[in-house]
Amino acid sequence: DAGVTQSPTHLIKTRGQQVTLRCSPKSGHDTVSWYQQALGQGPQFIFQYYEEEERQRGNFPDRFSGHQFPNYSSELNVNALLLGDSALYLCASSLDRGVEQFFGPGTRLTVL
Amino acid sequence: GQQVMQIPQYQHVQEGEDFTTYCNSSTTLSNIQWYKQRPGGHPVFLIQLVKSGEVKKQKRLTFQFGEAKKNSSLHITATQTTDVGTYFCAGRNLDGNNRKLIWGLGTSLAVNP
Repeated sequence: DAGVTQSPTHLIKTRGQQVTLRCSPKSGHDTVSWYQQALGQGPQFIFQYYEEEERQRGNFPDRFSGHQFPNYSSELNVNALLLGDSALYLCASSLDRGVEQFFGPGTRLTVL
Repeated sequence: GQQVMQIPQYQHVQEGEDFTTYCNSSTTLSNIQWYKQRPGGHPVFLIQLVKSGEVKKQKRLTFQFGEAKKNSSLHITATQTTDVGTYFCAGRNLDGNNRKLIWGLGTSLAVNP
């Protein structure tokens, strides 16, 4: 049973570009949350998807958008990249109203 | 907005010594979770505390939730080198529909063998 998987592992982009990150949840999980973790910081909640809809959103601009597919996998899109978007992007899956979140290995995004 | 603060930021101990990290919220929490992140790794769920004054133990780890549900602590007895990593607390506020976790900055633990 695979855990949470994310792709790609690393990504280098330049300012102004757009990026799409992908996440496959743990088998049986229907809820996906995305986090941004800057170096030396705690994860910051971006948004959560359930039943293919964004259910809750953190304090991130509209440049950050997402999608959840019928198989529960999810994408995070970031437009008009800024240097400050450089971070580790973590995906976490859980059951709806479940207690425990399972995190993927993350995607390390570097914006030059 | 709601903030969760953790102290200390760093802790360096000799193997066998005890370790404690403290978490304080600016608002009353519905529940609080603790995670461990090894260097270069991703957060791993340790536990969730829900009740006022709750104490839970996992082997050498003891977790407490304050009576006012605004603070929490994690205590490790007789640290081992495998305890190295950053320990995060993450809290949810009282809104029943709130699914957002507010994370502290973490306490990084280094253990000298």
